[in-house]
Amino acid sequence: DAGVIQSPRHEVTEMGQEVTLRCKPISGHNSLFWYRQTMMRGLELLIYFNNNVPIDDSGMPEDRFSAKMPNASFSTLKIQPSEPRDSAVYFCASSLSGRGGEQFFGPGTRLTVL
Amino acid sequence: DAKTTQPPSMDCAEGRAANLPCNHSTISGNEYVYWYRQIHSQGPQYIIHGLKNNETNEMASLIITEDRKSSTLILPHATLRDTAVYYCIVRVEAYGQNFVFGPGTRLSVLP
Repeated sequence: DAGVIQSPRHEVTEMGQEVTLRCKPISGHNSLFWYRQTMMRGLELLIYFNNNVPIDDSGMPEDRFSAKMPNASFSTLKIQPSEPRDSAVYFCASSLSGRGGEQFFGPGTRLTVL
Repeated sequence: DAKTTQPPSMDCAEGRAANLPCNHSTISGNEYVYWYRQIHSQGPQYIIHGLKNNETNEMASLIITEDRKSSTLILPHATLRDTAVYYCIVRVEAYGQNFVFGPGTRLSVLP
C-alpha cells in the first residue's frame, strides 16, 4: 500500500491566490482528517470526514477554508483567498474505524503564502 | 479529551532504553492512551496504544500504571533514528474520533 498520498508536497503562492491541497487516503479507510501544523500552534485538526461526510469542521479557521470529499478515495482542502498567516504544513490522515482508531498520516504539504 | 502532561524534552544515549513519561490524571475509564511520534518534516506516526494492560509491539512498550493516571513509553534500544517529538494522547476509541495533539516530548538520541 502506498500510504496516504498528498499533493503537492510544496506550494508557494502569493497572497490572494486560491490554493488547493489534495489527499488520497489509504484504500478501504473510511475516515479522513485534515490537520495544520505551525510552530506557534502545533498540530491542529481542521476537519474530519466519516464515509465522505464532514463530521466536525469546528477547526476550520474561517470561511476562506473549505474541504470536500467527493468520494472515498479523494479529498481537497481549498483556501481562497490565501493569506501569509496560512503558511503551514498541512497533513492529511486516514483511518479505518474499528481498528483502534489508529490514524495514518501523509507526508504533508508545505504551504508558503508570500 | 483528557489533558496530558509531558516533559518538553529528553535526551537518551544511543543503544540505551528511552523512557518517556506521560501524566493523564483526569483520564476517564473508557479513554485509551495513544502514542505517536513525528520525525522532523514527516507526518506523525502511530507507535502503540492501550487501555489498562501493558502493551508491546515491534516498536515499543507501553506501561500504564494501575490507577491509569500515568504511563511510560519505552523504546528498548534507542537509535539515532528515534530522535523525534513524541506525543501522548488520551481519547475515547469511538467511531472516527480525532486526536488532540499537545506539544509532546522532543527526544534527542545522542551518539
